[in-house]
Amino acid sequence: QVQLQESGPGLVKPSETLSLTCAVSGYSISSGYYWDWIRQPPGKGLEWIGTIYYTGSTAYNPSLKSRVTMSVDTSKNQISLKVRSVTAADTAVYYCARHIGGNYDYWGQGTLLTVSS
Amino acid sequence: QSALTQPASVSGSPGQSITISCTGTSSDVGAYNYVSWYQQHPGKVPKLMIYDVTNRPSGVSNRFSGSKSGNTASLTISGLQAEDEADYYCTSYTSIFTWVFGGGTKLTVL
Repeated sequence: QVQLQESGPGLVKPSETLSLTCAVSGYSISSGYYWDWIRQPPGKGLEWIGTIYYTGSTAYNPSLKSRVTMSVDTSKNQISLKVRSVTAADTAVYYCARHIGGNYDYWGQGTLLTVSS
Repeated sequence: QSALTQPASVSGSPGQSITISCTGTSSDVGAYNYVSWYQQHPGKVPKLMIYDVTNRPSGVSNRFSGSKSGNTASLTISGLQAEDEADYYCTSYTSIFTWVFGGGTKLTVL
């Protein structure tokens, strides 16, 4: 059974960099599929952040591209997300999900990231 | 990129059918058959209901169906049940190699 588990600090100060990790079990990232980060501000809709392939190839939401970096560690079977210069608008539940062709078939449970001083 | 346009809310009575629209452009919904629909109950993780415009994953009720015409995709739920009350999101691939979600639609079963 494929499982994804996000982890992060929970609270980040404005202007700092948030770092999240998504550990994948039950499936080797190197076997294929794309791995995405998606976020959902409290009470709002889903927003696509970006996608990464096991080779390290990435694509990002144009509105976030200047602040976002995704990476993959195949030895640890995990993907990571960094968002620089965060503001209150980055407060959200962050999900990692496996996808192919836009079909997000496995999701993590999500981790709430709050930006506050 | 702009979010795909969905109605903020729709409602229907048990047993009825409802349709949720998802309007994009000729650079996303209109250009590719990579439109998916997700159901999200409060506090829960989104669940894939329809992929590639019309396909249902194993285990999803055949009361859920998808279609597309031009730049607008649609999700139809027939025989509405109380458990269908949830938020629904569409998503599409885009011509700039990204993905975009719709703003979401709250379905109320009266």
